[in-house]
Amino acid sequence: KAGVTQTPRYLIKTRGQQVTLSCSPISGHRSVSWYQQTPGQGLQFLFEYFSETQRNKGNFPGRFSGRQFSNSRSEMNVSTLELGDSALYLCASSLRLAGGLLETQYFGPGTRLLVL
Amino acid sequence: AQKVTQAQTEISVVEKEDVTLDCVYETRDTTYYLFWYKQPPSGELVFLIRRNSFDEQNEISGRYSWNFQKSTSSFNFTITASQVVDSAVYFCALDNNAGNMLTFGGGTRLMVKP
Repeated sequence: KAGVTQTPRYLIKTRGQQVTLSCSPISGHRSVSWYQQTPGQGLQFLFEYFSETQRNKGNFPGRFSGRQFSNSRSEMNVSTLELGDSALYLCASSLRLAGGLLETQYFGPGTRLLVL
Repeated sequence: AQKVTQAQTEISVVEKEDVTLDCVYETRDTTYYLFWYKQPPSGELVFLIRRNSFDEQNEISGRYSWNFQKSTSSFNFTITASQVVDSAVYFCALDNNAGNMLTFGGGTRLMVKP
């Protein structure tokens, strides 16, 4: 079974631009979560999508948004980029069942974003 | 609020030594899940183990073993006979089943020297 895939793997943008990152979950997984990893703040939860609905959101400004498609693929968007948005963005998928117990999250290779 | 603390930011050992990575957590929930992930230089987080709060049995998988103690809110990870390939950053994480929202510790960078 193929793992979680993320595109692009590397990205360079300038301040003020916007960026869209993509995540394809493991086949059959319906939950996709996004995390930001920086040297200063570590790994922080951004948001989770399940069945095309945002279920949970971390403590990030509204510039960070996402969506999920009917095939469970997810995208996250960051508008008006700031230097501090430079980070490794990790996507994770899990076999979350409606009303079911928590399932393990499996991570993709991440997208390294550099904002200049 | 949940919190995970990995007090050891960096550990250096020589190959074949045993090493224990500490993890202490805080949560008010009675149902929660603990995880360990490995992050090699490539960046991808690799799942190692998951434990729920009702299962305090220790687990061994090859050279890896985990010690979960609710009384001390700890979930420590031991690598026996370490190898150079074990060099990576290891993260302990907590999820309270409210959703797929992992709270991570700061990570421990393990360097295994030949």
